[in-house]
This record gives sequence, structure tokens and C-alpha cells, in this order.
Amino acid sequence: ETGVTQTPRHLVMGMTNKKSLKCEQHLGHNAMYWYKQSAKKPLELMFVYSLEERVENNSVPSRFSPECPNSSHLFLHLHTLQPEDSALYLCASSQDKAGTGFSNEQFFGPGTRLTVL
Amino acid sequence: GDSVTQMEGPVTLSEEAFLTINCTYTATGYPSLFWYVQYPGEGLQLLLKATKADDKGSNKGFEATYRKETTSFHLEKGSVQVSDSAVYFCALSDRAGNQFYFGTGTSLTVIP
Repeated sequence: ETGVTQTPRHLVMGMTNKKSLKCEQHLGHNAMYWYKQSAKKPLELMFVYSLEERVENNSVPSRFSPECPNSSHLFLHLHTLQPEDSALYLCASSQDKAGTGFSNEQFFGPGTRLTVL
Repeated sequence: GDSVTQMEGPVTLSEEAFLTINCTYTATGYPSLFWYVQYPGEGLQLLLKATKADDKGSNKGFEATYRKETTSFHLEKGSVQVSDSAVYFCALSDRAGNQFYFGTGTSLTVIP
């Protein structure tokens, strides 16, 4: 496969469940990102990993727990979520987080549509 | 801080109409600018980009010119098609800190 893949594409969970979202990039990139996209709201950056180290955590509740075991894989572990956490969760990757003088665009996966009941 | 402002939607156009979606930015230094498109049920895809002033990005009939004097990066297409119906996001990348800022998105619907 090429590009950025995400699994599952759709997930329905109860508030007491524990689940994980998976992202994999096949682009040789060093930085990976989790975004939350809710209806009628701007795209929210949740977490940034660069070379497998978390470099940004934008005040995300602790019920979301990211994991980056290597530069190709990124997980988002979910537990005791709330209905307002229902959204499209997008993963992205880029060549490098640190500025290097080129455009460094982000490549997105198709997203996981999460519904919390 | 850096930010991107794009026109509110939704925008509805007839097929073959001219499209403009406005985007202005605030940034220190010289950011790179992007337009992303999101088709229904999919993630964001890079549509075009420009990395310095006066650069013109183009792809699939869409164009945008990096205007430093007006801090703008407006998206244009001369003749839209039904298949262009999607949400369009303007974004900038701040090279100094490599932050990525997205606009709120503009929904475009093209009717036959």
C-alpha cells in the first residue's frame, strides 16, 4: 500500500469501552499527526510526533492516549470517551517537523469516523 | 500568532461557473501556503501549494497565487464541474516552528 492508511474506517463504541485507532504511513516520513474534525468546527490538531517523540499535545483530555512505536505507525488509544468525542479522526504525516526550507506539506489518511454512544 | 482566514460557506455554483474562494493569512516570516480538498467521506488531499511570494500553484484547473503584499492565497477555477463539490481548506506552514494552520474550510456544491 502507499500513502497513509487508517483503520478502522468506522468505529462505534460505548462510553465504557476501550478501543484504538491505527495509522500507518508508507512515505518514509518522520513526523505524524492526529487531528480531530467535528462538524461545523475547525480542524483541531491533537498530537504531533517527530522521530517518535511527542512534540505537541494541544490540551487534549487524558482519555485520548497516543502512541508512536516507530516512525511508520501511530496509534490513538481511547477509553471512557464522551458522546462529544464523536468525530472524524484524521492522521497525517510529513517529511519532517523541523523547518528545513521546503514546503513540508502534510499527507492525510482517509480518517476514522468515530461514534460514541 | 499565525492564522488563516477563509471565506465562509457554503458556496453553491452552477456547472461551468467561475469559482473564487478567498483566503488571507497572518504570519511572521515567509510561510508556505496550501490548498487542501476533502471529498465526502474522505481525508484531506493536497490540491496545490506555493512556497514563496508570487509563486502560482496549480492543479486540476485550480490556481492560487501567493500574494505577499495582500497576504492572500485565493483559490480560483475558471469552470467548475459537479465533481469539484467538496470542502476546501486553506493552510499555511510556518517554517520557523513548522506549525501547520488550517482555515475553517469552505463547502462547495456544484449543481448541474
